[in-house]
Amino acid sequence: GIQVEQSPPDLILQEGANSTLRCNFSDSVNNLQWFHQNPWGQLINLFYIPSGTKQNGRLSATTVATERYSLLYISSSQTTDSGVYFCAVGKKLTFGTGTRLTIIP
Amino acid sequence: DAGVIQSPRHEVTEMGQEVTLRCKPISGHNSLFWYRQTMMRGLELLIYFNNNVPIDDSGMPEDRFSAKMPNASFSTLKIQPSEPRDSAVYFCASSHNEQFFGPGTRLTVL
Repeated sequence: GIQVEQSPPDLILQEGANSTLRCNFSDSVNNLQWFHQNPWGQLINLFYIPSGTKQNGRLSATTVATERYSLLYISSSQTTDSGVYFCAVGKKLTFGTGTRLTIIP
Repeated sequence: DAGVIQSPRHEVTEMGQEVTLRCKPISGHNSLFWYRQTMMRGLELLIYFNNNVPIDDSGMPEDRFSAKMPNASFSTLKIQPSEPRDSAVYFCASSHNEQFFGPGTRLTVL
C-alpha cells in the first residue's frame, strides 16, 4: 500500500514563530488532506489539496503531486495551534504518523 | 449541517460483551468510513462503504468486527465479543470528495 511519511515528528516553537510541516507519499494520489487533531482528539479539516496551493488565514498548503509531497505552513503561531497535524492521502485516506506541534506562550 | 454524528461518545465495557457504535453521516455524502486510532498503530481504516455497499473491509481486524449500513443516513460498527485490545478511539467519516470526521467514540474494554 501507499506509504505516507511526515516530518518533523515533533516541533516545539515559541508563540509567533512560523513553521513548515512536510508530507511525502510513495505513489501518485488524487486526494490529499491535512488535519489538525486538537488536544480533545477532534480531527479538524484544514485543507483538501490534491494539487496546487491554498491559503486559509495564517495557514497555507502546497501539494506538488508530480514530486509526491505536500507542505503545510503555519505563520504567527498561537497556542491554540498546538496538537498533532496529520497528512492523509488517497480515497481511503492512508494517514501519516503526524507532526506533534507544541506552541509555548 | 450538524456534521458527522457518532454515539456513544464514550463506552466502557467488560471483556466478552457486545459493543455497537453508531454513525450518522453528513447528508448527501455517498461514502462512509470507519477508522480506529491507537497509540501503537495510529489511524487506520477498518472499512468503507460507497452508496451503502461495503467496498473494502480489508482493515477489519477479525471476525469479531462487523459493520453495516442499512441506509444512507446510518451505519453501525459492532464488536462481539469485545476484548481489551479493542480499546481505542473509533472514528466515522463521510465524504463526497473531502472526508469529514465525527468526534469519535472512545472505547475501553476492561
